[in-house]
Amino acid sequence: DQQVKQNSPSLSVQEGRISILNCDYTNSMFDYFLWYKKYPAEGPTFLISISSIKDKNEDGRFTVFLNKSAKHLSLHIVPSQPGDSAVYFCAASARRYGGSQGNLIFGKGTKLSVKP
Amino acid sequence: DVKVTQSSRYLVKRTGEKVFLECVQDMDHENMFWYRQDPGLGLRLIYFSYDVKMKEKGDIPEGYSVSREKKERFSLILESASTNQTSMYLCASSRTGSTQETQYFGPGTRLLVL
Repeated sequence: DQQVKQNSPSLSVQEGRISILNCDYTNSMFDYFLWYKKYPAEGPTFLISISSIKDKNEDGRFTVFLNKSAKHLSLHIVPSQPGDSAVYFCAASARRYGGSQGNLIFGKGTKLSVKP
Repeated sequence: DVKVTQSSRYLVKRTGEKVFLECVQDMDHENMFWYRQDPGLGLRLIYFSYDVKMKEKGDIPEGYSVSREKKERFSLILESASTNQTSMYLCASSRTGSTQETQYFGPGTRLLVL
């Protein structure tokens, strides 16, 4: 039973255009969300995060939007570049232990291809 | 910068062998994690540890064990490797704090069990 869903296994975008990657979750206890980027044969690297007290967080070309009522978040990349081609994982966590991080629950990933 | 290192990038083992995967982090993080990544399945948590000598099962602990004797080192052990354990293994670490902290990943170990 997937708690974090990335329903699009792949996405292809033209260089310079916007890439929108989507993520849905089912657990209303999740209060922290992250996006990771992964190149082949490398570990995932942290990209951007958002707390449930916010609905938007921006870092350069990357913006994450959170819609708590819809249990939906999205990652916008503007403008998209060929170097953005990678697998993007959405992850969520809920506080489990006092003072400790809850474990991250990952989606299955979306492979983004940005074509020159 | 956080650095998480894994002992091997690629490993080839035979069925039934005992396999050790080592992970070291240099940022004094309390929490450490082992995941495996398989196509179409994303990242699945095998075991995690939030303190020295502490360990907890993740979602798929069967066939694996772990050891955390020192804060900076977290080992994943395959007692008797099987072909269905062929996968990419990823170690991660994070800090404990009053707010959620990001997990930082190592480069991964691609294990092939023949």
